[in-house]
Amino acid sequence: EPEVTQTPSHQVTQMGQEVILRCVPISNHLYFYWYRQILGQKVEFLVSFYNNEISEKSEIFDDQFSVERPDGSNFTLKIRSTKLEDSAMYFCASSGESGGPGGELFFGEGSRLTVL
Amino acid sequence: DAKTTQPPSMDCAEGRAANLPCNHSTISGNEYVYWYRQIHSQGPQYIIHGLKNNETNEMASLIITEDRKSSTLILPHATLRDTAVYYCIVWVSGGGADGLTFGKGTHLIIQP
Repeated sequence: EPEVTQTPSHQVTQMGQEVILRCVPISNHLYFYWYRQILGQKVEFLVSFYNNEISEKSEIFDDQFSVERPDGSNFTLKIRSTKLEDSAMYFCASSGESGGPGGELFFGEGSRLTVL
Repeated sequence: DAKTTQPPSMDCAEGRAANLPCNHSTISGNEYVYWYRQIHSQGPQYIIHGLKNNETNEMASLIITEDRKSSTLILPHATLRDTAVYYCIVWVSGGGADGLTFGKGTHLIIQP
């Protein structure tokens, strides 16, 4: 069964460092998403991406965040200068083979980011 | 914020049907009801969705009331592996890649 894969599974970084989280969405999907979940809290929407541009973003997704689809398979989330409060699990998701995104998202297993 | 209300936790005996309620009294006519679950900090997993009619798939059944103000997710024969947080989400496509809004969900604990 096709799945969304994320790397790394866990990254530890120092405050102020740049971090790139990588995702390989399901190959024929067209819509891509990043969510995050701070330990013990809700899953929060960050950003969605379609047709090589951001489709929607939340208030959390400020200037320190960026997303990119550098080639036909990867979808990345970059955090330019990490803060302690960026420590969280980051989930990538994809959806929509055709005919629109739908609400059925396929999530990866997550990348745990720890900022020291 | 989340447009749904769910009990924070529920218990169910293994092998019995687990019935998870959700209130969505402000749902609009074109909004779907989606259910996801999250097993221990893994990525959320899609379960089922519906608009008006009841739906069933290999994982669960979804019962939506006639006025659409509430719904119930039914896991017919719960197993220990069904212990998870279950999220009821109201969603409609705005034409783009609209994000899902997760609430706090219901923590379902299956007891042996």
